[in-house]
Amino acid sequence: DAGVTQSPTHLIKTRGQQVTLRCSPKSGHDTVSWYQQALGQGPQFIFQYYEEEERQRGNFPDRFSGHQFPNYSSELNVNALLLGDSALYLCASSLDVNYGYTFGSGTRLTVV
Amino acid sequence: GIQVEQSPPDLILQEGANSTLRCNFSDSVNNLQWFHQNPWGQLINLFYIPSGTKQNGRLSATTVATERYSLLYISSSQTTDSGVYFCAVDSSYKLIFGSGTRLLVRP
Repeated sequence: DAGVTQSPTHLIKTRGQQVTLRCSPKSGHDTVSWYQQALGQGPQFIFQYYEEEERQRGNFPDRFSGHQFPNYSSELNVNALLLGDSALYLCASSLDVNYGYTFGSGTRLTVV
Repeated sequence: GIQVEQSPPDLILQEGANSTLRCNFSDSVNNLQWFHQNPWGQLINLFYIPSGTKQNGRLSATTVATERYSLLYISSSQTTDSGVYFCAVDSSYKLIFGSGTRLLVRP
């Protein structure tokens, strides 16, 4: 049973560029959330997608956007990259909030 | 918003020792999870424990929701237990993480 898969694992981008990160949820899960984790800190919630709609959003600018597809997979897009966007981006999936979240291995984004 | 505080921030143990990690949260929550983040960054789910006590091998956890805290017990620690332990609470479809406890187990 595949867990949460994320791609790519590592990525280097230049300031001002745009990036797309991808996530496939665990089999049977229908909800996908994205988190940003800066070095030495805990993950910060970006947004959650359910039924192809953004259900909840954290305190992140509009440069961060997402999408969920009919097969429940999801993309995170970041426009006009800043050096401060360098972080580990984690995807989490769930079926119901009462059963907890499962995380992927993350995408490490470096902006130079 | 809900605040999550973890203690201690850093912990160094000798292999075989026991330890207790604490998580305090400032308001009622629907869910609480403990995670172990390995050196490669993956968050491994240890416990989903909104209340009560659970055990899994050498690890156990207790959440007292009415007093807004949770404890993670690690017994007979091993070097592979090293890493960062996070507590996270679920509020309105988002997990709010504490700042973590960084554990180093020495052989």
